[in-house]
Amino acid sequence: GAVVSQHPSWVICKSGTSVKIECRSLDFQATTMFWYRQFPKQSLMLMATSNEGSKATYEQGVEKDKFLINHASLTLSTLTVTSAHPEDSSFYICSARRGGPYEQYFGPGTRLTVT
Amino acid sequence: TQLLEQSPQFLSIQEGENLTVYCNSSSVFSSLQWYRQEPGEGPVLLVTVVTGGEVKKLKRLTFQFGDARKDSSLHITAAQPGDTGLYLCAGPLTGTASKLTFGTGTRLQVTL
Repeated sequence: GAVVSQHPSWVICKSGTSVKIECRSLDFQATTMFWYRQFPKQSLMLMATSNEGSKATYEQGVEKDKFLINHASLTLSTLTVTSAHPEDSSFYICSARRGGPYEQYFGPGTRLTVT
Repeated sequence: TQLLEQSPQFLSIQEGENLTVYCNSSSVFSSLQWYRQEPGEGPVLLVTVVTGGEVKKLKRLTFQFGDARKDSSLHITAAQPGDTGLYLCAGPLTGTASKLTFGTGTRLQVTL
C-alpha cells in the first residue's frame, strides 16, 4: 500500500505557457501533500505544503502566483506552473502524508522542460 | 536554519566492498529518515530512526541515529550494483509535524 502517482511523468512546453502536474494517492487518503523541486545532481527542496480544502503554504522564495497549488480532494493535489520559463525546467516531485508524522510517500516525479 | 550535511557527496566502489554514509547537523532532530532515489524516480523510504542511539538493520543496511539526535549514519555491507543510487537523509523541521528538510545527498555507484 501507500502508492503515489504523478502525471505526466515528463512534459515539454514552450516558454510562456502553463503546465499542470497531478499528484494522486492511489490507495490512501492524504490530508497533506508536499511539492518538491529537484535540480540535476542536487537534493530535494520543499516548495509548498498542500492541505485538502485550504490554501497551500509556500516556502520562502517560492512564488505562489507562479506555482499554483490546488488540493481539491483527499487523493489529489495539482501543481500548475504558470507562464513557464526555461529556468522552471526541473524535476518536480510530490509526496503524500498518510497518517503519522513520519509516513510520507513520494511520487515518481515529473520532469518539466521549458523550451 | 536546519541543515543536513551528508558525506561523502559521491562514492564509487566495487561490488563486495563496505561503505558508510554520514548525515550531520548542528540541530537536534526528533527523527531522521533515509531514502534512496534512482534516476528519474522519486525517493523511496528505507528507514525512520526516532530514538537517540537507535540502530536499525535492513538486510545489508545498518542505520544508526546519534545519541544526541544530531547525526545519523548508513552502513552498507557487501555492496551490490543494485545499491547504486542517491541516498538522502531527511528530518522534520522544528515546529512542524511532517515538513521535511533533506540532506545534501550521497551519490553511490557500485560497479562489478
